[in-house]
Amino acid sequence: DAGVIQSPRHEVTEMGQEVTLRCKPISGHNSLFWYRQTMMRGLELLIYFNNNVPIDDSGMPEDRFSAKMPNASFSTLKIQPSEPRDSAVYFCASNTGQGELQPQHFGDGTRLSIL
Amino acid sequence: QKEVEQNSGPLSVPEGAIASLNCTYSDRGSQSFFWYRQYSGKSPELIMSIYSNGDKEDGRFTAQLNKASQYVSLLIRDSQPSDSATYLCAVNPTGSGNTGKLIFGQGTTLQVKP
Repeated sequence: DAGVIQSPRHEVTEMGQEVTLRCKPISGHNSLFWYRQTMMRGLELLIYFNNNVPIDDSGMPEDRFSAKMPNASFSTLKIQPSEPRDSAVYFCASNTGQGELQPQHFGDGTRLSIL
Repeated sequence: QKEVEQNSGPLSVPEGAIASLNCTYSDRGSQSFFWYRQYSGKSPELIMSIYSNGDKEDGRFTAQLNKASQYVSLLIRDSQPSDSATYLCAVNPTGSGNTGKLIFGQGTTLQVKP
């Protein structure tokens, strides 16, 4: 079975540009999570969805960040305008959303560099 | 106080030794706990889950949970150089319902020396 698929794998862009990260969760998974990982702050939960509905976006750093999940098989995380401090690895993860005993499965991540 | 705390390490052990990784959490109502391994430049991958007090063994890995002390640990027996990675402890917080939300620790870097 295909795992969580993220694109692009790498993104290098200049400050001020719009960045869109994409994620396809595992088929049948009802919960989707966006994380940001840096050396300083570790793995931070930005936002998560359950049945395509945003449940908790308290981790989104500021209004420059937005996320959508228009259907069960696709989600985007957008940064506009981007800043150098947004440089990090962004992971998407999914799980069945059917109970607290279910682990999360991670995609390969997007390594974002803002110049 | 951080919700999930781990010693960042690095923890260095010789090949063949037992590596002991520790994690404490602040949410007393948490019911499920996970250990993820993350190789440099890769994504986290699940290696163990534990829900009940006591020990759970899977091959060379043993997870230990003590809810009264809010403590979960991972033991790796017969450590191999290929075990060198960062190990992330994750806890399912109360109030997250069935969504499967996890809070991650900062991770402990393990180095197994040949």
